[in-house]
Amino acid sequence: ETGVTQSPTHLIKTRGQQVTLRCSSQSGHNTVSWYQQALGQGPQFIFQYYREEENGRGNFPPRFSGLQFPNYSSELNVNALELDDSALYLCASSKGGANEKLFFGSGTQLSVL
Amino acid sequence: TQLLEQSPQFLSIQEGENLTVYCNSSSVFSSLQWYRQEPGEGPVLLVTVVTGGEVKKLKRLTFQFGDARKDSSLHITAAQPGDTGLYLCAGAQAAGNKLTFGGGTRVLVKP
Repeated sequence: ETGVTQSPTHLIKTRGQQVTLRCSSQSGHNTVSWYQQALGQGPQFIFQYYREEENGRGNFPPRFSGLQFPNYSSELNVNALELDDSALYLCASSKGGANEKLFFGSGTQLSVL
Repeated sequence: TQLLEQSPQFLSIQEGENLTVYCNSSSVFSSLQWYRQEPGEGPVLLVTVVTGGEVKKLKRLTFQFGDARKDSSLHITAAQPGDTGLYLCAGAQAAGNKLTFGGGTRVLVKP
């Protein structure tokens, strides 16, 4: 139990639709990172939010966007869904600063049909 | 682009056998982490290695960071069915904790 909760756990969408995934960080953590894990692969870094500001972004198109709220919870939004967006989306929270340990949630399994 | 390659991709062994998982890169990382992930769950951190040549032990698991900080290995002694899972290595850049993950090694330990 990491104290990081993600919702929903599963989601089915169709191509072209938009989706919002949510993450509640562990108490005392001000940093949230999002990762995409395709089937059979390792997670890929999407972006990180620190104190409500984007703090680094991986190689993902602009239709992947995010928000962090004053209570440090976060949302991942994906517009114009594509079939290849089907994946497990993982949220990880941590304290601010380099080399702080990441605590992962159980993820949201997104299927795009 | 920093890449981490893990080998093998899949490993099936009998209970009591030993196994080694490798994680290699052409890039230098400030630290390297090993995670274990079970189905339906997020990765859970096992260990972080920081210094080149460092060796860390966690019960039956031994982790080593290469001298040049480009590669690492995970060795499990006398594997048990509870060791079954997806093992992931992840490298961190000097600037923070944005991780580059390897593709993972799926380990199956049969009773």
